[in-house]
Amino acid sequence: EVQLVESGGGLVQPGGSLRLSCAASGFTFSSYEMNWVRQAPGKGLEWVSYINTGGSTIYYADSVKGRFTISRDNAKNSLYLQMNSLRAEDTAVYYCTRRKYNFDYWGQGTLVTVSS
Amino acid sequence: EIVLTQSPGTLSLSPGERVTLSCRASQSVDSSYLAWYQQKPGQTPRLLIYGASSRATGIPARFSGSGSGTDFILTISRLEPEDFAVYYCQQYGSSSWTFGQGTKVEIK
Repeated sequence: EVQLVESGGGLVQPGGSLRLSCAASGFTFSSYEMNWVRQAPGKGLEWVSYINTGGSTIYYADSVKGRFTISRDNAKNSLYLQMNSLRAEDTAVYYCTRRKYNFDYWGQGTLVTVSS
Repeated sequence: EIVLTQSPGTLSLSPGERVTLSCRASQSVDSSYLAWYQQKPGQTPRLLIYGASSRATGIPARFSGSGSGTDFILTISRLEPEDFAVYYCQQYGSSSWTFGQGTKVEIK
């Protein structure tokens, strides 16, 4: 069974940093492209970042470019999102998603709240 | 960046009705990357349709997708009680993915 389990969310002050992790199981993690998608409270879905299987190709949404860094460790079956210079508008549930035919599996998400 | 506009914003319908949801792109989209998702309250999004018209694993046949270029449609042939949810379209282009703002299908 495919499982994606996010962790690392929490309350952080504006300007602070957080590192999100996503533990993958039930499939060959190294064979799949991965993404982070977020959803602000009561709002729609926003794609955040993409990484290919080997980590050599990375894309970011303009809203997070220069502040967030996506990475993966295929040996540990894990995906990461380093978030720096956090703003109130980054408050959202962050989902780890697997890409095959678009985003076919989603984790349950981890809530990031940016507030003083 | 390609902008996806979904309409209507909200649909109020009864079980058994046919539903047609629209997703219009600001420029032509590669149909291979056009997808639809369903999200129920408190749940994660679920992939329904990929490649504009292919059903994802386990998705009932009452869900179908069509369209090309800038206009795409998600059709639910006969609404079941479990289909009341928010539906999002999504596309990939120019090294980024974008979602529409969503259409809420609610019980009338």
